[in-house]
Amino acid sequence: GQNIDQPTEMTATEGAIVQINCTYQTSGFNGLFWYQQHAGEAPTFLSYNVLDGLEEKGRFSSFLSRSKGYSYLLLKELQMKDSASYLCAVMDSNYQLIWGAGTKLIIKP
Amino acid sequence: GAVVSQHPSWVICKSGTSVKIECRSLDFQATTMFWYRQFPKQSLMLMATSNEGSKATYEQGVEKDKFLINHASLTLSTLTVTSAHPEDSSFYICSAREARENSPLHFGNGTRLTVT
Repeated sequence: GQNIDQPTEMTATEGAIVQINCTYQTSGFNGLFWYQQHAGEAPTFLSYNVLDGLEEKGRFSSFLSRSKGYSYLLLKELQMKDSASYLCAVMDSNYQLIWGAGTKLIIKP
Repeated sequence: GAVVSQHPSWVICKSGTSVKIECRSLDFQATTMFWYRQFPKQSLMLMATSNEGSKATYEQGVEKDKFLINHASLTLSTLTVTSAHPEDSSFYICSAREARENSPLHFGNGTRLTVT
């Protein structure tokens, strides 16, 4: 079956760095997405990786290793507004998105 | 960037009535749109895939006669919750992809439905 695993919840301190991991097993691979979702709101797109390596976008970076079925989202210089759920999603060979359950990130002052 | 507009953002209706939710891609054409439902503190659940000009593809366990989907044009899909019941109260979110390779999903802002 298809499966995406990410931690349920993480806690970090304002100003620090946090890494949210995602491992996947899917039928084929056409890219991995990270989304941010604040409580009561729809998800917003953060990043997309289809080739191995690190993609950097301001304070957020996303890494992919296809051979290991592994990705992480790195958030630097954490701000209180970064408190949200972070969703990992993989597009399979049928171009369907398989979603992880999300990681709730709690930022403490 | 690509924008998906969803309307209404919230709606309260009485049990037994029907509610229509609209999803529009404002600056791109979307041959495929997706409808999700999300209960509090749970992950997104795909309900159906809406295909322009053809019937929607429903996920297992989703009643097609209760959740009517119409994808009338390349920029508009509608979800109608028929004969709504309190257990249908949820956050409904639509999304769409641009018709280019490796394009991400763009989400509407969601519709919070409360059935009394």
